[in-house]
Amino acid sequence: DTEVTQTPKHLVMGMTNKKSLKCEQHMGHRAMYWYKQKAKKPPELMFVYSYEKLSINESVPSRFSPECPNSSLLNLHLHALQPEDSALYLCASSQGTGSSGANVLTFGAGSRLTVL
Amino acid sequence: KQEVTQIPAALSVPEGENLVLNCSFTDSAIYNLQWFRQDPGKGLTSLLLIQSSQREQTSGRLNASLDKSSGRSTLYIAASQPGDSATYLCAVRTGGFKTIFGAGTRLFVKA
Repeated sequence: DTEVTQTPKHLVMGMTNKKSLKCEQHMGHRAMYWYKQKAKKPPELMFVYSYEKLSINESVPSRFSPECPNSSLLNLHLHALQPEDSALYLCASSQGTGSSGANVLTFGAGSRLTVL
Repeated sequence: KQEVTQIPAALSVPEGENLVLNCSFTDSAIYNLQWFRQDPGKGLTSLLLIQSSQREQTSGRLNASLDKSSGRSTLYIAASQPGDSATYLCAVRTGGFKTIFGAGTRLFVKA
C-alpha cells in the first residue's frame, strides 16, 4: 500500500459544528503532516507529528485540534470554524524523521472543507 | 528565511513541445527538492525527488536537475501531451520537517 487516504473528500459545516478530518497510511511512515491550501496558493504547513508526538504547530488557531492516535492515523478536529477556513486540507506522510534527504512527502487526495 | 519562486506562473504550449519549468530558492542549505503535480481540486502527486547530493533525476519524459550552489532547479518535460496539463509545484525540504513550496506553474498543453 503506497497511499495516503483522506476522508471525507468533501465536508460542509456551519460555524457552530464540530467535525473531524481523518487521514490514514499503511506505509510504515513515522511522520505525518497537515497542510492547508487555499485556491491557487501553495500548501501551507499546519502541524507535524513524529512518532505520534506533535513536533510542529505553525501557530494554528486552537479551533483546529490535531490528534495522532497511532502511527497510521492522523485526525484533525474542527470546532467553531470561520468561513475563511474554507480550503483544501491535505494530509501527507514521510518515512523518517528529521532531515534525511531521502524523505519523500506522500500526499493524500485532500478534504475539501466549506464553512458556511 | 527560505523562499521558493517558480517561473513562469503560467504556460501554454502546443502538444509535442518540449518545455522547461523553473524553480529557485534563496537558501542553499536544503536536504532535498521535490517536484509535484496537482490537478484542479486534487491532492499532490510526487513526480521526482532530488536529494541535495544529487544533480538530476529522470522518470519517463520528465527530467529534473538541481544546482544547489545557485539555488536553482528545472523540470524538463519532453514531448508534452494534453494530459500533462496541471499545476507543477516545487518544494524544498529545509531543517527538520519543514518543506517550503513554490506558488506553482500552471501548464496548459493544447491538442
